[in-house]
Amino acid sequence: TQLLEQSPQFLSIQEGENLTVYCNSSSVFSSLQWYRQEPGEGPVLLVTVVTGGEVKKLKRLTFQFGDARKDSSLHITAAQTGDTGLYLCAGGVGDDKIIFGKGTRLHILP
Amino acid sequence: DSGVTQTPKHLITATGQRVTLRCSPRSGDLSVYWYQQSLDQGLQFLIQYYNGEERAKGNILERFSAQQFPDLHSELNLSSLELGDSALYFCASSVDPGVPYGYTFGSGTRLTVV
Repeated sequence: TQLLEQSPQFLSIQEGENLTVYCNSSSVFSSLQWYRQEPGEGPVLLVTVVTGGEVKKLKRLTFQFGDARKDSSLHITAAQTGDTGLYLCAGGVGDDKIIFGKGTRLHILP
Repeated sequence: DSGVTQTPKHLITATGQRVTLRCSPRSGDLSVYWYQQSLDQGLQFLIQYYNGEERAKGNILERFSAQQFPDLHSELNLSSLELGDSALYFCASSVDPGVPYGYTFGSGTRLTVV
């Protein structure tokens, strides 16, 4: 069974600080996606990475896919209160299936 | 608005009952996926349809069934409901089954079984 472990489960930091959250597995994934989910809403796709070692930037968010395609990280620079939410990583299995981690619940304090 | 429409948004029903959740995918998307989200289990994949045909099955109970109609909307039927079925149910769609394109999720249906 393929599993994605996300850490930390919960993170509460002050506005303006930097943070990194992690997504790890013992399995290789064809791609890895990061989603953000706010209360009462569905997950929203932030980025997809497909190549080992790939780095993508989305404004203050930097996403990295591990060289072996088993892990990923999300780094946020100068966090803002609007970054608060549940961050989910999801790994592609084969061509048509995604499995999700349980998420990191991020709370940015003003 | 993501373009994926789910109805109803909230549903409260009694144990033993049957409910139907409905999903209209984003325009142009042929694949529909159903997920169940609970606090302890996270997002669990239930089932996928592509252009009317079942394509993949996940941890879907025998009491649950789904189908995708010719107009591409999908319905998830939950029967003999138990308290443990209380959860958020999400529908997602994609233009084709290819994972790298990502999924677009609806806002979900919150099911409460009492």
